[in-house]
Amino acid sequence: DQQVKQNSPSLSVQEGRISILNCDYTNSMFDYFLWYKKYPAEGPTFLISISSIKDKNEDGRFTVFLNKSAKHLSLHIVPSQPGDSAVYFCAASAEAAGNKLTFGGGTRVLVKP
Amino acid sequence: KAGVTQTPRYLIKTRGQQVTLSCSPISGHRSVSWYQQTPGQGLQFLFEYFSETQRNKGNFPGRFSGRQFSNSRSEMNVSTLELGDSALYLCASRLGVGPTYNEQFFGPGTRLTVL
Repeated sequence: DQQVKQNSPSLSVQEGRISILNCDYTNSMFDYFLWYKKYPAEGPTFLISISSIKDKNEDGRFTVFLNKSAKHLSLHIVPSQPGDSAVYFCAASAEAAGNKLTFGGGTRVLVKP
Repeated sequence: KAGVTQTPRYLIKTRGQQVTLSCSPISGHRSVSWYQQTPGQGLQFLFEYFSETQRNKGNFPGRFSGRQFSNSRSEMNVSTLELGDSALYLCASRLGVGPTYNEQFFGPGTRLTVL
């Protein structure tokens, strides 16, 4: 039972344009959501997070939107840069479950110059 | 401040052997979690330690175990290795446990290959 899903395994975008990554979840107990970026042979790097009491959080070029009623979140990267090419993971946690992270399957982003 | 470190970075073992992986958290971080990443199953939670006590456990067999020391360093042990244990094992640390400590920071991982 996949509780966190990233339905797009890959995304290709032109440099300077917007990258939009999507994530859906099924467990209504999730109360905190995070995005990580991962390069090959490295551990995931924390990007941005959002609490379930908010619907938007912004940090530089990265913005995360949360739609609790739809159980959907998205990550916007504007403008996209070649260095953003990586695999992006959405993760969710629930305080009631000890805040362990449940990850989506990842979306591979390729930013073309 | 140094990040999460994991040793060794690469390991090759044969079926039936046992292996111990080590993780040093970010200085001041008291919680350490372990995750397994495989192409088929993605990133899956193994267990979390805080104050030398296991506080959470994922759905893995008893062959997977861990511990945490008083300096917050953690080790993970896998006994009777199987081919399916080949994976990238990731360690993540956070300052503490509770609702204000949600961000976890990952190490580079240990790539385990079981032959």
